[in-house]
Amino acid sequence: NAGVTQTPKFQVLKTGQSMTLQCAQDMNHEYMSWYRQDPGMGLRLIHYSVGAGITDQGEVPNGYNVSRSTTEDFPLRLLSAAPSQTSVYFCASSRDPNSPLHFGNGTRLTVT
Amino acid sequence: DAKTTQPTSMDCAEGRAANLPCNHSTISGNEYVYWYRQIHSQGPQYIIHGLKNNETNEMASLIITEDRKSSTLILPHATLRDTAVYYCIVRRIGGSQGNLIFGKGTKLSVKP
Repeated sequence: NAGVTQTPKFQVLKTGQSMTLQCAQDMNHEYMSWYRQDPGMGLRLIHYSVGAGITDQGEVPNGYNVSRSTTEDFPLRLLSAAPSQTSVYFCASSRDPNSPLHFGNGTRLTVT
Repeated sequence: DAKTTQPTSMDCAEGRAANLPCNHSTISGNEYVYWYRQIHSQGPQYIIHGLKNNETNEMASLIITEDRKSSTLILPHATLRDTAVYYCIVRRIGGSQGNLIFGKGTKLSVKP
């Protein structure tokens, strides 16, 4: 049972490039979310989804897009990367918004 | 969601119990206490949660005071692998966003 899988583990982008961070879970969880973690800031919610076809914004959504076409996958898109988006990104899932979250091991993104 | 206060760091001898305190004096009646930990370079890991009764699972015990204004996470026999940052989080029941608000946590160092 893989749990929550994030790819890639590391990525370096130039300012203005776009990319997609992948997140997949095999637990049939309805709820999925994306967080970013910056030094001294804790984890902050970017976007979340309570089921396929439904997404909503979290605390820091600007510069990021998401979609949820299947229960298993919840990709995060950076449309035009900026140095301020240098961070560690974590995807999480749970049975519903009130159940314990299961986190992936993160994608470490550097934007130069 | 209510704020929590935790010590910045703690040390514990290997094999001894680690008792991690958390103050959440403004907690509401509809908020759970959750504990997560984050081992270096990994995603946060769920440990335990509770509402007002003490809870125990295979990882830890959670003791919540009768007035619910504070709690203690107990790792009964700490090992070197328990070295991590431990986060105490209060989370509203019934919320649709599913957001976990992470503070700075307690850095627990288990020493041989």
